[in-house]
Amino acid sequence: GNSVTQMEGPVTLSEEAFLTINCTYTATGYPSLFWYVQYPGEGLQLLLKATKADDKGSNKGFEATYRKETTSFHLEKGSVQVSDSAVYFCALRPNTGGFKTIFGAGTRLFVKA
Amino acid sequence: DSGVTQTPKHLITATGQRVTLRCSPRSGDLSVYWYQQSLDQGLQFLIHYYNGEERAKGNILERFSAQQFPDLHSELNLSSLELGDSALYFCASSSRGLDEQYFGPGTRLTVT
Repeated sequence: GNSVTQMEGPVTLSEEAFLTINCTYTATGYPSLFWYVQYPGEGLQLLLKATKADDKGSNKGFEATYRKETTSFHLEKGSVQVSDSAVYFCALRPNTGGFKTIFGAGTRLFVKA
Repeated sequence: DSGVTQTPKHLITATGQRVTLRCSPRSGDLSVYWYQQSLDQGLQFLIHYYNGEERAKGNILERFSAQQFPDLHSELNLSSLELGDSALYFCASSSRGLDEQYFGPGTRLTVT
């Protein structure tokens, strides 16, 4: 079946550090891939997406590349800020069989000043 | 602001009671999804409606039910509430042909 696995948190970084949050998936065909972010006390917001292999999604300094060969969609940011502290969810939407979006467990990021 | 609204924002009730959570999707979105988020279970998909019809069911208990009305708003009904039902309940909507979902701010349910 379809599934998403992302690295366990929490991840604690100092401001201006480099961020990587790993995400791997299992799916048939070519799903669409997403990163959502949830700030404290709020709902999830779409951060970026990619819909085909080798696509790079980017937004607010975050990037992720759809790697079909390694079934991965790792989230990266070159220099994190305190305001990036949030929970990050990797997700996939299959292109067959009902189109239900599958979310990972979420990774909590703390950024220290 | 995602354009998805949910009411109420907070709800405190007792075990055995019944509550209704309401969601209004973004203007023009036909799909509505309900999720439950608890500390130990993460984000759990409950149910998906498209233009008034149920399209997919996830880990939704028999005590829970939902519907989507002709004006496209949706309601999630939770009955015979238990302490373990305490959680954040999110509604999301999406547009036909787009992959991403837009989430509301959630309803925090506390069962005492």
